[in-house]
Amino acid sequence: KNEVEQSPQNLTAQEGEFITINCSYSVGISALHWLQQHPGGGIVSLFMLSSGKKKHGRLIATINIQEKHSSLHITASHPRDSAVYICAVPSNYQLIWGAGTKLIIKP
Amino acid sequence: DGGITQSPKYLFRKEGQNVTLSCEQNLNHDAMYWYRQDPGQGLRLIYYSQIVNDFQKGDIAEGYSVSREKKESFPLTVTSAQKNPTAFYLCASSNWTGDNEQFFGPGTRLTVL
Repeated sequence: KNEVEQSPQNLTAQEGEFITINCSYSVGISALHWLQQHPGGGIVSLFMLSSGKKKHGRLIATINIQEKHSSLHITASHPRDSAVYICAVPSNYQLIWGAGTKLIIKP
Repeated sequence: DGGITQSPKYLFRKEGQNVTLSCEQNLNHDAMYWYRQDPGQGLRLIYYSQIVNDFQKGDIAEGYSVSREKKESFPLTVTSAQKNPTAFYLCASSNWTGDNEQFFGPGTRLTVL
């Protein structure tokens, strides 16, 4: 069993839909990261959170430490949100990476 | 502007040749990392360095070598011993803290012909 699991692997939705991507982990953590990889390959950090909820624009990330689960939500999705979304957790000063969720938003 | 640069963006090499990928950061980060990504796959750690003149093997270090002579620079050499070197290579850096928030360069896409 992978230490970080994401679901779904692939997600296609229509513009405007509310999107949820899930991440479950099995190790104890101090924080969880959500990152976005653009179609061109560049990776940007979206959130680092250790409890509760964070919001940035149309993106919302939540984490439940007791349940070892985090979700990334996108409200009013737009085609420019199409990307791979990755969660990662720190372990021994490295990161354990989820496999990523490929999101396609159709106009 | 602070950030991480990788060069070149695209690189083509003949089979059997060594090739060195550049990674430079001006974020004053202690730690630097090299990842490999194959199409449709996640990131795999090749090497990482916590401090100048020290580095550690990651999960897939065979066929690769690195150096860390300066804090700002962490070049990766893909040697002829790497059996399948065609891939997308990403460099990252972070402060060496438990949360390990990493910042990424734009990547180098290596194609071996």
